[in-house]
Amino acid sequence: QVQLVESGGGVVQPGKSLRLSCAASGFSFSSYGMHWVRQAPGKGLEWVATIWYDGSNEYYADSVRGRLTISRDNSKNTLYLQMNNVRGGDTATYYCAGTYDSSGYGWFDPWGQGTLVTVSS
Amino acid sequence: ETVMTQSPATLSVSPGETVTLSCRASQSVGSNLAWYQQKPGQAPRLLIYSASTRATGIPAHFSGSGSETEFTLTISSLQSEDFAIYYCQQYSNWPPGYTFGQGTKLEIK
Repeated sequence: QVQLVESGGGVVQPGKSLRLSCAASGFSFSSYGMHWVRQAPGKGLEWVATIWYDGSNEYYADSVRGRLTISRDNSKNTLYLQMNNVRGGDTATYYCAGTYDSSGYGWFDPWGQGTLVTVSS
Repeated sequence: ETVMTQSPATLSVSPGETVTLSCRASQSVGSNLAWYQQKPGQAPRLLIYSASTRATGIPAHFSGSGSETEFTLTISSLQSEDFAIYYCQQYSNWPPGYTFGQGTKLEIK
């Protein structure tokens, strides 16, 4: 069945780095645009970043541009989010999600179950 | 940036009732709007896309309508499993980014 499984979350100190992964199965990952969406505790959904099916284009929310980097390895059916110089506002559950359109344009489906990142000293 | 505003923030209703959730865009998004349902501890689930098209497997008592700046999600004959938070999302003014509404929490009266 269609599945996205995130991993890599945990507690990280301010200013440090962390890499999240999202393993895809059950659909044609290499043809989907992919996204990261985050949700701070008790808050709403915030789009973070999008990458084209082939990795040729990336887009970021202003709040993360220059610190977070989205990437993908289609040979491994895996999406990544490299988080550098993390700050308290990055504390959230991070979801990966896919869009049928190869550029990532459109609605988000499927979604992973999320991985929690807590920034704390 | 297109700001999405949902109302009300919380809605208390009884099972069996019909409810209408509202989503307003700060500029026209055409029909490029999706609705998601999120239950506690779970990921969001796509309900509606293109403002009015139900996603695969979504029951018929969910319906979406609207265009440009005004959208609604109607849930008929509320069932216990429908109590959740609902988010709208625009994907029209892209790039640079997607925006979600702040959510409407549907709770049992």
